[in-house]
Amino acid sequence: GDSVTQMEGPVTLSEEAFLTINCTYTATGYPSLFWYVQYPGEGLQLLLKATKADDKGSNKGFEATYRKETTSFHLEKGSVQVSDSAVYFCALRIDGSSNTGKLIFGQGTTLQVKP
Amino acid sequence: KAGVTQTPRYLIKTRGQQVTLSCSPISGHRSVSWYQQTPGQGLQFLFEYFSETQRNKGNFPGRFSGRQFSNSRSEMNVSTLELGDSALYLCASTPGQGRRNTEAFFGQGTRLTVV
Repeated sequence: GDSVTQMEGPVTLSEEAFLTINCTYTATGYPSLFWYVQYPGEGLQLLLKATKADDKGSNKGFEATYRKETTSFHLEKGSVQVSDSAVYFCALRIDGSSNTGKLIFGQGTTLQVKP
Repeated sequence: KAGVTQTPRYLIKTRGQQVTLSCSPISGHRSVSWYQQTPGQGLQFLFEYFSETQRNKGNFPGRFSGRQFSNSRSEMNVSTLELGDSALYLCASTPGQGRRNTEAFFGQGTRLTVV
C-alpha cells in the first residue's frame, strides 16, 4: 500500500545549523508530496508542496525536491532558527481519477533548535 | 478569508458515551476530511466528504461516523467511546476539484480525552 517513512526524531540542532529531514515514500499511483508543520497545541500548516517529479517546493527558507527515481522528498533548510522548533510531517496524496483528498502522513519528526 | 473552524477545542468524555465534533471548512471549499492524531499511531485518515457524500474511508471501526451538510460543514460522531479514542481530531478542507494544484487547510483540532 501507499506509505511515507520519515527519519526518526527528535532532531536537536543549534541555531544557524543546517537541517535535513529525510522522507521516502511508496505509492501505487503518481503522488503529490507535501511537508506540513505542527507547532505545539495547533493544527497542521502547509510548509511546501511539489506535484510532479523534479519540482522543488520552497517556503520560509525550507526546500524539498520531488525525486521520483529515489522516491524521496527530503526537507532542507540552510540555517535554522529557534522559531523553527516544531513537528514536521511528510505526506503524500495520490492524484488520479478517484479524485479524493486523502493524505497519507509519515510519523512526524520533532525538531528542537537551541539558541 | 476565515480558516477552518473546529468546535469544540477540548472535550472530556466518559467511556461508553458518544461525542460529536464539528468542522466548518473555508468558504467555497466542498471537501472535508477528518484525521485522528495519537502519539502511538500518528496521523490517520478517518474519512472524507464531498458534496454531502462520503467518497473515501479509512480503516476505523463503525463507531466512527460522519456526515456533511449542504453548506459543507461536517460533523463526526464517535459512539461507545473507548479510552483509546483519546486523540487530537483534525479536520482538513479543500476545494475538492482540480486537485493537483490544491492544498489541504487544517483546523486547530479538537482534543478529545476519554476517562
